[in-house]
Amino acid sequence: DAGVIQSPRHEVTEMGQEVTLRCKPISGHDYLFWYRQTMMRGLELLIYFNNNVPIDDSGMPEDRFSAKMPNASFSTLKIQPSEPRDSAVYFCASSLFEGADGGYTFGSGTRLTVV
Amino acid sequence: SQQGEEDPQALSIQEGENATMNCSYKTSINNLQWYRQNSGRGLVHLILIRSNEREKHSGRLRVTLDTSKKSSSLLITASRAADTASYFCATDANSNSGYALNFGKGTSLLVTP
Repeated sequence: DAGVIQSPRHEVTEMGQEVTLRCKPISGHDYLFWYRQTMMRGLELLIYFNNNVPIDDSGMPEDRFSAKMPNASFSTLKIQPSEPRDSAVYFCASSLFEGADGGYTFGSGTRLTVV
Repeated sequence: SQQGEEDPQALSIQEGENATMNCSYKTSINNLQWYRQNSGRGLVHLILIRSNEREKHSGRLRVTLDTSKKSSSLLITASRAADTASYFCATDANSNSGYALNFGKGTSLLVTP
């Protein structure tokens, strides 16, 4: 398996533009997570899905953020409109089931810069 | 919200020495996990220890868990330059509402040749 695949790896956009981040989880994993990492706040959970259903989106900063998982092999995180404070590395991760020995498998992340 | 907190924030040692990192957390857990992150990369799962376990080994890694003190430690023995990375502990919320890991801010480990 190629692991969790995120695209793009880097994104530079102007304030006010829409940004879409993409994630392909590992086949067969029931859970998908979106995290954001910054120096100041560390790793923050934004939202997670179980069997394509959003379970907890309490970490989504504002209405400007939305996430979807239309099927088991694809998820998107959208920011509209983007702001400079959204600049961070966004990670997608997937997991087999709760408490699985293998833990989470993370993608390589998308480094977002909003100017 | 961050549940785990690693200590120290940074650690510098020489190759061959052992590295010990600690993690403290606040609420009861089902399991605690340790991850490694190399610069510019995603996190990599190292080891999971369940709340009914006290110690676990994996290669050069040794993890302990003390649920009475709400703390865990990660020991890397005979460190190598390739172990240079940030190390994070993560805990589940032990909640009936779902399952998601909360990560600490990590310990930055530098191993010099």
